Amino acid sequence: AQRVTQPEKLLSVFKGAPVELKCNYSYSGSPELFWYVQYSRQRLQLLLRHISRESIKGFTADLNKGETSFHLKKPFAQEEDSAMYYCALGNTGFQKLVFGTGTRLLVSP
Amino acid sequence: GAVVSQHPSWVICKSGTSVKIECRSLDFQATTMFWYRQFPKQSLMLMATSNEGSKATYEQGVEKDKFLINHASLTLSTLTVTSAHPEDSSFYICSARAGQNQPQHFGDGTRLSIL
Repeated sequence: AQRVTQPEKLLSVFKGAPVELKCNYSYSGSPELFWYVQYSRQRLQLLLRHISRESIKGFTADLNKGETSFHLKKPFAQEEDSAMYYCALGNTGFQKLVFGTGTRLLVSP
Repeated sequence: GAVVSQHPSWVICKSGTSVKIECRSLDFQATTMFWYRQFPKQSLMLMATSNEGSKATYEQGVEKDKFLINHASLTLSTLTVTSAHPEDSSFYICSARAGQNQPQHFGDGTRLSIL
């Protein structure tokens, strides 16, 4: 079965501090991992996907199959990064996504 | 690009009413659409997967006769909550993707309140 765990419900940091939002997954097949972000009063948006290996808005995430993790990182948090972040796991062929419970990131000035 | 429109955004109705929610892909053809349900402070739970022109695939525990899904075209899927009751009150979100191995794009969601 697919499962995604985001252990932190809330992560509060000051502007300029490094950020790491944790995500662990469980899946017997070849995983496809995503990070989605939901800003206040906006729809869920794709932030990045592991196969793209890109950096979006300064965020990066590396898939670690040994640790079954896909943590989201940013070296210097900005106030506009405050949002709800969801880690999602797609099964082979992306037939469906399983979401974690989300982590609310709050960046204070 | 890749905009998904969901309508209505909020609906309040009496118990026993059937409610239809529309999900449209505005600038791409969606071979697959997904319907999620989100309870307060919880994650999105997939209800069903809808492929154009075929019957929806429901997740375990989701009543297909309660939540009717129609995906009649490549740009429109509808979710009808039949004979809604207060326990059906929730936030319903749809997503759409252009093809296999493509990311899902989400609508704004519909808040359903049953009195």
